[in-house]
Amino acid sequence: AQTVTQSQPEMSVQEAETVTLSCTYDTSESDYYLFWYKQPPSRQMILVIRQEAYKQQNATENRFSVNFQKAAKSFSLKISDSQLGDAAMYFCAYRSPLGTGNQFYFGTGTSLTVIP
Amino acid sequence: EPEVTQTPSHQVTQMGQEVILRCVPISNHLYFYWYRQILGQKVEFLVSFYNNEISEKSEIFDDQFSVERPDGSNFTLKIRSTKLEDSAMYFCASNRGDLLGWQYFGPGTRLTVT
Repeated sequence: AQTVTQSQPEMSVQEAETVTLSCTYDTSESDYYLFWYKQPPSRQMILVIRQEAYKQQNATENRFSVNFQKAAKSFSLKISDSQLGDAAMYFCAYRSPLGTGNQFYFGTGTSLTVIP
Repeated sequence: EPEVTQTPSHQVTQMGQEVILRCVPISNHLYFYWYRQILGQKVEFLVSFYNNEISEKSEIFDDQFSVERPDGSNFTLKIRSTKLEDSAMYFCASNRGDLLGWQYFGPGTRLTVT
């Protein structure tokens, strides 16, 4: 099974500053998909951004962008102009395109605190 | 925007009792999933369901668990005889079956086993 590692259990950032959350993964597959999910205190899982492994261009969604390094198996999330509402647990996830299971493999999460 | 819904939001049950967690996936989606998250831990895959049958399951999904799509809208997770360690948040998710596999998660059901 694939593994996803988030080495930063906690991070903090000043409001309006930029923060980067790291994620690495282990796989032998050449094609796959990567995701960042946000889990606020309500514990709902909210999709933040996704990246297809076959695309070299890094995905961007407003203030959120990723740095995808396929050779290094790294998929970091950058949050620019951090807002108080960004405070949450962030999970990196991997999905294989093979088979019909389509299950996700999640990392252990990074808890982000935004300091006013 | 369509959403995945789950009921109840919080379920308290005694050890040994059966519980059924309910989910209504997005209507045109084809794949359905259950995940669980023990407090303070990562989200773990339990089972995926496609074309009215289980397509994949994890080692967590033992004989105590079962899933069903009893009608055209609901997707249920049954735990036959709950244990204390089943206490967790249970998330249902669905996707429409496209290659991107963008899974939409429900708000979760918090299960507390006493």
